[in-house]
Amino acid sequence: DAGITQSPRYKITETGRQVTLMCHQTWSHSYMFWYRQDLGHGLRLIYYSAAADITDKGEVPDGYVVSRSKTENFPLTLESATRSQTSVYFCASRGVPKDNLSGNTIYFGEGSWLTVV
Amino acid sequence: QKEVEQNSGPLSVPEGAIASLNCTYSDRGSQSFFWYRQYSGKSPELIMSIYSNGDKEDGRFTAQLNKASQYVSLLIRDSQPSDSATYLCAPRGYNFNKFYFGSGTKLNVKP
Repeated sequence: DAGITQSPRYKITETGRQVTLMCHQTWSHSYMFWYRQDLGHGLRLIYYSAAADITDKGEVPDGYVVSRSKTENFPLTLESATRSQTSVYFCASRGVPKDNLSGNTIYFGEGSWLTVV
Repeated sequence: QKEVEQNSGPLSVPEGAIASLNCTYSDRGSQSFFWYRQYSGKSPELIMSIYSNGDKEDGRFTAQLNKASQYVSLLIRDSQPSDSATYLCAPRGYNFNKFYFGSGTKLNVKP
């Protein structure tokens, strides 16, 4: 059971470069998310996707682009990396809730550590 | 005002003691509440969820919810050094995708 895998796990890039973080899940979950985690801010939602070809902004979407052509993949692209985007990025997924309260567990990938110099 | 407030800690407790972690939230529409544990350098993992007012127990963990006060807490009984981690509170509103996380409380359990 591979779950959610992220790649690369660690990346150093230069300011202005484009960077893509990959996320792949094997559960066929409908919902996928990208979070970033920084000291003092906790986990902040960047983008999420309810299904293939359906994406929407979260709290901090500026400077990021996502796509979801296949259910299992949800790449996150930093079009022109800035130092403020140095962070740990977590991809997550969740299935369709059975009712209003249950089935809401979010499962996280192992994270991608990105440093922009 | 932040959506979710947690004391950043660190909260230090001796081994065997009860650790009490607190969380307040601003969205009165929040329906379900989750506690995640995150070890240093690792991803968050779900340890408890609670939907109704009152207490919910699971092993050494007890989640407590008071929607009127917009307050949720996590008690860890018989704390172990392996419980040392950051605990994230995550209320969820009517929008299933609005999953806000608190900044987390760092717990240190001293042997």
